[in-house]
Amino acid sequence: DGGITQSPKYLFRKEGQNVTLSCEQNLNHDAMYWYRQDPGQGLRLIYYSQIVNDFQKGDIAEGYSVSREKKESFPLTVTSAQKNPTAFYLCASSIDPRLDQPQHFGDGTRLSIL
Amino acid sequence: SQQGEEDPQALSIQEGENATMNCSYKTSINNLQWYRQNSGRGLVHLILIRSNEREKHSGRLRVTLDTSKKSSSLLITASRAADTASYFCAPDPPGNKLTFGGGTRVLVKP
Repeated sequence: DGGITQSPKYLFRKEGQNVTLSCEQNLNHDAMYWYRQDPGQGLRLIYYSQIVNDFQKGDIAEGYSVSREKKESFPLTVTSAQKNPTAFYLCASSIDPRLDQPQHFGDGTRLSIL
Repeated sequence: SQQGEEDPQALSIQEGENATMNCSYKTSINNLQWYRQNSGRGLVHLILIRSNEREKHSGRLRVTLDTSKKSSSLLITASRAADTASYFCAPDPPGNKLTFGGGTRVLVKP
């Protein structure tokens, strides 16, 4: 079955630590996205990538970094510079950002501070 | 980037009733999408309506779009307990950078 896999489901971060959230898709989609969702809120775009080896900052990129070395993978690193990282992180993909196509979402990673 | 704003923020209905929620946005769009999110899960795409369409149906869902008023509505007919979720609209400007509002939380009581 095609889809998006996010891991781990739950993650805990210590002060001053960087953590990396995994996102893998087998849908052969060109574009991938990372969103942050705070309790009772909508989604805010952190980073997106329209093609391998290219990515762009979203609305709240500070304190985060990404890479896109392979089409199927778009890991997100939450750095120690992100002072309020506790949130639900969602990864998504779409076929081609130039087309009117929906985004497909993973089931998220919930990050908490120890 | 623009953001969809859903109204109401929360909605409680009895099973079998219809649920209507609205979305407003600010700038021109290529399309507008509606998503559902069950508690603790990712978003699931429900329906996409293009800027040149006025109404679209999918099963028990009916979506309207009024580009002159920059608004959309989602109607769920004959609601079921399984429809309990948060619903988000996502205006899609050129570039497919969706932005999401705070959503409408729908509770369907048996």
